[in-house]
Amino acid sequence: DAKTTQPNSMESNEEEPVHLPCNHSTISGTDYIHWYRQLPSQGPEYVIHGLTSNVNNRMASLAIAEDRKSSTLILHRATLRDAAVYYCILRLNTPLVFGKGTRLSVIA
Amino acid sequence: DADVTQTPRNRITKTGKRIMLECSQTKGHDRMYWYRQDPGLGLRLIYYSFDVKDINKGEISDGYSVSRQAQAKFSLSLESAIPNQTALYFCATSDGFRDSATDTQYFGPGTRLTVL
Repeated sequence: DAKTTQPNSMESNEEEPVHLPCNHSTISGTDYIHWYRQLPSQGPEYVIHGLTSNVNNRMASLAIAEDRKSSTLILHRATLRDAAVYYCILRLNTPLVFGKGTRLSVIA
Repeated sequence: DADVTQTPRNRITKTGKRIMLECSQTKGHDRMYWYRQDPGLGLRLIYYSFDVKDINKGEISDGYSVSRQAQAKFSLSLESAIPNQTALYFCATSDGFRDSATDTQYFGPGTRLTVL
């Protein structure tokens, strides 16, 4: 599986937008970009996924660079409940392979 | 009721004991997975099953075995537990109706296992 690079941790103020970056310079043309998050003491949960175009859903937006070598997960208004570890995962017909992710702290 | 359940939620056992962790799902999904998570690390895949007759090893299958008793049930066994198998274990399911690259995995609440 192609590798992703994420910052170990980030901090955000409550009700402000958060941009979580992910670098994946070795991505192949058919790898999908998935984001999952893990809230404290819970199993991971799906956030969003995309291939080439930007994607929006009720939880977040995914912005994918034109060359697909990087992507950004956007939380439009961070809440305390968004404090979690966020995983950026490249996927091609395989189960999810998790890295260490980015630990997001949200400050009230 | 939760769609993916794991039993037990917590277990303390001794080195050399046989342990079984169970996973049940009511989502009607064909695909099931077992992961372990060590402190500060991401999840690592142990085994996965795409249907009742299909079992595949993951990244770290040594020391573990699995049984897919039915579509809804997938059990993980530690034949002879050792202390470095102390971890948080997660079960997951996915529908597999679409391409494996895009189906969503749904995770259970986890089982915290301590091997003394």
